[in-house]
Amino acid sequence: GAVVSQHPSWVICKSGTSVKIECRSLDFQATTMFWYRQFPKQSLMLMATSNEGSKATYEQGVEKDKFLINHASLTLSTLTVTSAHPEDSSFYICSATYDRGAWGYTFGSGTRLTVV
Amino acid sequence: GQQLNQSPQSMFIQEGEDVSMNCTSSSIFNTWLWYKQDPGEGPVLLIALYKAGELTSNGRLTAQFGITRKDSFLNISASIPSDVGIYFCAGNTNAGKSTFGDGTTLTVKP
Repeated sequence: GAVVSQHPSWVICKSGTSVKIECRSLDFQATTMFWYRQFPKQSLMLMATSNEGSKATYEQGVEKDKFLINHASLTLSTLTVTSAHPEDSSFYICSATYDRGAWGYTFGSGTRLTVV
Repeated sequence: GQQLNQSPQSMFIQEGEDVSMNCTSSSIFNTWLWYKQDPGEGPVLLIALYKAGELTSNGRLTAQFGITRKDSFLNISASIPSDVGIYFCAGNTNAGKSTFGDGTTLTVKP
C-alpha cells in the first residue's frame, strides 16, 4: 500500500515554456503533499507544502509565481514550472502523507526536468 | 533553518562488513526517518522512529532515535551489493515537514 505515482518521469522543454508535473496517491488520500527539488549529488530541498483545498505554503527563497502548486483533490497535486530556464533543470520529487508524517512519507519516483 | 549533519559523506566497504552512519542536529525532532535512494529514483523509507530512545530493526537494518531527540544512527549488518545507494536521514517536526541530511553514499565491493 501507500503508493505515490509521479508523472512524467522525465521531460525536456525549451526555455520559456511551462511544464506540469503530477503527483498522485494511488491507494490512499493524501491530505498533505510535499514538493522537493534535488540537484545532482545533493540532498532534497523542500520547496513547498501542498494541502488539499488550500494554497500551498512555500519555503523561503522559492518563487511561488514560478512554481505553481495545485492540490485540487485528496489524491492529486501538480507542480507547474512556469517560464522555465536552464537553471530550473533539476530532479523534482513529491511525497505524500495522510497523517502528517506520523508513519513516514511515501515518495514519488521523481521527475527529471531538463530545460534547453 | 534546521540543519542535519549526516556522516560519513561516503563509505567504501567490502561485502559482508557492517556499516554505521549517523545524523545529528541542533534542533529537536519528533520523528526520525531513514531513507535509501537509488539513482534516478525517489527515496524509499527504510525505518521510521517515533520515540526518543526507540531502537527499531528492519531485517539487517537497525536504527535508533537518540534520547535527546537530536540524533539518530542507522546500522546495516552483513552488507550485500544491493545495499549500494545513498542513505538519507530526515527529521520531522510537528508541522509534518521533513529536513533531510546531506546523505551517505554507500559503495559495497563484492
